[in-house]
Amino acid sequence: EDQVTQSPEALRLQEGESSSLNCSYTVSGLRGLFWYRQDPGKGPEFLFTLYSAGEEKEKERLKATLTKKESFLHITAPKPEDSATYLCALSDSWGKLQFGAGTQVVVTP
Amino acid sequence: SQTIHQWPATLVQPVGSPLSLECTVEGTSNPNLYWYRQAAGRGLQLLFYSVGIGQISSEVPQNLSASRPQDRQFILSSKKLLLSDSGFYLCAWSPRGGFVGYFGAGTRLSVL
Repeated sequence: EDQVTQSPEALRLQEGESSSLNCSYTVSGLRGLFWYRQDPGKGPEFLFTLYSAGEEKEKERLKATLTKKESFLHITAPKPEDSATYLCALSDSWGKLQFGAGTQVVVTP
Repeated sequence: SQTIHQWPATLVQPVGSPLSLECTVEGTSNPNLYWYRQAAGRGLQLLFYSVGIGQISSEVPQNLSASRPQDRQFILSSKKLLLSDSGFYLCAWSPRGGFVGYFGAGTRLSVL
């Protein structure tokens, strides 16, 4: 059975303090690992898709990487506007997403 | 560009009342459509998905049903709401043959 586990559950950072979020997964056949950002009371916003080990994607202060068992979301020099819950998910062949519980990130000035 | 609309944004309903949440997608054809629920303090759970008009698959047994009367319209319904139906309901779409899910703004449902 496919599984997605995110850690830590919560992360409090000072502005400019870089850190990484972890997403561990087990899957029979990877069709994509997805990262989303979710602000309170809103729907998840798509950030990245990673398909194969060694792949990396970047967007502003965010960088996602993928190994055969884990994905990391690196936040470099975060700003308060990066505060959100970050979700990772696996997709099956029908596009059905299985989400982790998320990491709530708070960046303080 | 594609957009997804969900309404209402917030809904407060008494136990035992019916429910109808609507979702429409613009700017694409033949999308896969999905309903997810996010209960307080829990992750996103897939409820239903559809690959075409009238084709609905249920992922978890529950008090809810879904329908797809038109290609880009997806409806979530219940005949009698339970307290446990409270949560944040999200509609999503993905392109046919694609995997990325794009989400609507969500409906916050409180059953009292």
